[in-house]
Amino acid sequence: QSALTQPASVSGSPGQSITISCTGTSSDIGGFNYVSWYQQYPGKAPKLMIYDVTNRPSGVSTRFSGSKSGNTASLTISGLQAEDEAHYYCSSYTTTNTRVFGGGTHLTVL
Amino acid sequence: QLLLQESGPGLVKPSGTLSLTCTVSGDSMSSRAYYWGWIRQPPGKGLEWIGSINYSGRTSYNPSLKSRVTISADTSKNKFSLNLDSVTAADTALYYCAKYIQNTMRDYWGRGTLVAVSS
Repeated sequence: QSALTQPASVSGSPGQSITISCTGTSSDIGGFNYVSWYQQYPGKAPKLMIYDVTNRPSGVSTRFSGSKSGNTASLTISGLQAEDEAHYYCSSYTTTNTRVFGGGTHLTVL
Repeated sequence: QLLLQESGPGLVKPSGTLSLTCTVSGDSMSSRAYYWGWIRQPPGKGLEWIGSINYSGRTSYNPSLKSRVTISADTSKNKFSLNLDSVTAADTALYYCAKYIQNTMRDYWGRGTLVAVSS
């Protein structure tokens, strides 16, 4: 299975909105509504931000939202804040009962 | 409260076997609603899904690691394990264990344990 494709980096200014894309195939993202997004700070374990494409775990800011169209999922962060600067990883369930991650995107808040 | 705790040697020799255990507290591994998995992250790199095991012992593995990986579980002790054979320096990573729930991507991770492969 190939890793999902994410941009290596994105950036935005405080208050702006940014979107991180995650592209897969019909065997993963396109085949299920099972996509999740994780936020990771240096030296810390990943934190689940979005699951099942659009759902937020309790305690995650409503500024984080997810969507999907075809084989591409997206994470949108609105009202960008300095604390959002981190790495973000997408993940999808696959038709072979496995999971696959994206390569990760580093978000810089300018 | 759910707690997943990884444990095992922090240093493994090349060509040896990496063995880790995840101890689950605050939940039962016997539930059909859950399955249990491993993820790793080499220093400075991205996440890689390793594999999972369900309540009945059915396993799924990352095809790129399948020939070297074995995941097993002892539900009576609420523990599951990872064995990775024939390790090289490329297997040096932070290893995380996780609890998965059927029919959703909602999951819960441990804090991770660093394993270095070096002579």
